[in-house]
Amino acid sequence: NAGVMQNPRHLVRRRGQEARLRCSPMKGHSHVYWYRQLPEEGLKFMVYLQKENIIDESGMPKERFSAEFPKEGPSILRIQQVVRGDSAAYFCASSPGYRDNSPLHFGNGTRLTVT
Amino acid sequence: DQQVKQNSPSLSVQEGRISILNCDYTNSMFDYFLWYKKYPAEGPTFLISISSIKDKNEDGRFTVFLNKSAKHLSLHIVPSQPGDSAVYFCAASAPGGGNKLTFGTGTQLKVEL
Repeated sequence: NAGVMQNPRHLVRRRGQEARLRCSPMKGHSHVYWYRQLPEEGLKFMVYLQKENIIDESGMPKERFSAEFPKEGPSILRIQQVVRGDSAAYFCASSPGYRDNSPLHFGNGTRLTVT
Repeated sequence: DQQVKQNSPSLSVQEGRISILNCDYTNSMFDYFLWYKKYPAEGPTFLISISSIKDKNEDGRFTVFLNKSAKHLSLHIVPSQPGDSAVYFCAASAPGGGNKLTFGTGTQLKVEL
């Protein structure tokens, strides 16, 4: 997991608050993927971004969730008005190119708890 | 719609014996398959992969087998070691999705002394 940095590692929010999760990809990687793992489940794809572009957001809930990957700085996954069902582990992964059949490298995740 | 399935939620194996983890998929467009290992409170770590043009790939104690006609792949670990105890995820990708991966639900492997 070396190289992909996610922060915070743990985040506690009350219902209705906003959560911001950050991901810095590995050096030289310009493609970022966000996944969510609900308790006792596998990882579910949420969104795929390249610098300043959303490539695929087919896994994102239609409301309250947004993601960005600006020209400078980390990728941000933003959840507005959090609900208890948003409690999960959120993982970010990066790759150097569009499709090079190289494995995705994951960070250690942010564990979001909504109280 | 679960396109990648791992039907065994858990597997227990004795140290030194072979561990076989199985994975089935339904999407015939998948052309690249991977296995990831995950410890609690950490992110998934890449283990081994295989392209659809191959039927076997080996890396040390780990071998992945792909049977395209059956849409089935398996991961063999031999000999199994206590440090192999973790959750193992099968994943697949298809052309047109970048490196986007579809994951199975995981198999918890426990290697006992």
